[in-house]
Amino acid sequence: NAGVTQTPKFQVLKTGQSMTLQCAQDMNHEYMSWYRQDPGMGLRLIHYSVGAGITDQGEVPNGYNVSRSTTEDFPLRLLSAAPSQTSVYFCASSSDRDHEQFFGPGTRLTVL
Amino acid sequence: ILNVEQSPQSLHVQEGDSTNFTCSFPSSNFYALHWYRWETAKSPEALFVMTLNGDEKKKGRISATLNTKEGYSYLYIKGSQPEDSATYLCVDSGGYQKVTFGIGTKLQVIP
Repeated sequence: NAGVTQTPKFQVLKTGQSMTLQCAQDMNHEYMSWYRQDPGMGLRLIHYSVGAGITDQGEVPNGYNVSRSTTEDFPLRLLSAAPSQTSVYFCASSSDRDHEQFFGPGTRLTVL
Repeated sequence: ILNVEQSPQSLHVQEGDSTNFTCSFPSSNFYALHWYRWETAKSPEALFVMTLNGDEKKKGRISATLNTKEGYSYLYIKGSQPEDSATYLCVDSGGYQKVTFGIGTKLQVIP
């Protein structure tokens, strides 16, 4: 099993550009989440999904969209990148809401 | 306590020393508490999921306790080794849409 995979590992964008961060898991987990990590702060939940076709907002959803068309994939879209979105993004999955989460390797995004 | 607070933020211990650190969380509406270990340049890895007041969990030299009435959890490392060097995250999982991560305790074990 590959676990949770994320692409790309690094990305540099200009303000106003859009892009999609990819996340996939092969553990048949229903729950998937996107977090961002910023210096001096804990991981913050952006969006999450409790199953295919179901998504909801987390703590910091503004500027991001998600979709969950399959159990395996949970892409995160930046609609119009802003410097405030410079961060490290982690995708995670779990089999149930109170079970351990498995994290991907992260995507380091810089917005100029 | 309104958020998840971890203390200390960082500490250095000598190899072989035992150490512990604290996670404080809101005691009302408790659902589950998670501990993760996060090594530099890697992803967080789960250590424990704790749900019941008085829970004690152990994995090798690492153990954790939970007090949901007063809203705290302790993580203990016995006989610290250099490979224990990492940031230890505490997570309050108050229902899926209320996942709150602490900033973490960064542990450095000096050989």
